[in-house]
Amino acid sequence: DTAVSQTPKYLVTQMGNDKSIKCEQNLGHDTMYWYKQDSKKFLKIMFSYNNKELIINETVPNRFSPKSPDKAHLNLHINSLELGDSAVYFCASSQFTTSGETQYFGPGTRLLVL
Amino acid sequence: EDQVTQSPEALRLQEGESSSLNCSYTVSGLRGLFWYRQDPGKGPEFLFTLYSAGEEKEKERLKATLTKKESFLHITAPKPEDSATYLCAASQGGSEKLVFGKGTKLTVNP
Repeated sequence: DTAVSQTPKYLVTQMGNDKSIKCEQNLGHDTMYWYKQDSKKFLKIMFSYNNKELIINETVPNRFSPKSPDKAHLNLHINSLELGDSAVYFCASSQFTTSGETQYFGPGTRLLVL
Repeated sequence: EDQVTQSPEALRLQEGESSSLNCSYTVSGLRGLFWYRQDPGKGPEFLFTLYSAGEEKEKERLKATLTKKESFLHITAPKPEDSATYLCAASQGGSEKLVFGKGTKLTVNP
């Protein structure tokens, strides 16, 4: 069973377009995240939601807007795509338990802006 | 500013040649230190979370340790299938944000 899934896996689009990436987790976790991994493989957090509420919003252009319809889903909408938005976007989810914390990552969405 | 620095950037080992990867962090009030493995074209795969200095965790050929300033990922008698990029991340108390290092790309030659 897939724990954290993302669609699409690949996304090739033109500059100026608007696109969305969807994420779903079936782990029952309360917290979900979006990360961006650039061409140098550096992974950086963008947003975090806890029970549909935004709790982390890093310095990200306001062209990026996350939306959480329920705690199992966290989508990322990007307006007016730019060349520099090309990267791999990872969704993740986590839960705190008495045995600790783990963040599980999805397989990534590879976005190429032409 | 919270920082996580990993070294070396890349490491080549012969099969069976043990070594260690380093992760140094400057995070006030560390809540957890995480290790992940990432294969090409895939998402990071969770390995360990360490919470306090002196803590150690093991999984097969991997052992992670934590001090007040750094963490080590020891790889004992590695095999070619251990080849991957190993990522370290730290979280601060009161925040669920993970700050990642740039990773160490490990190649194990047969």
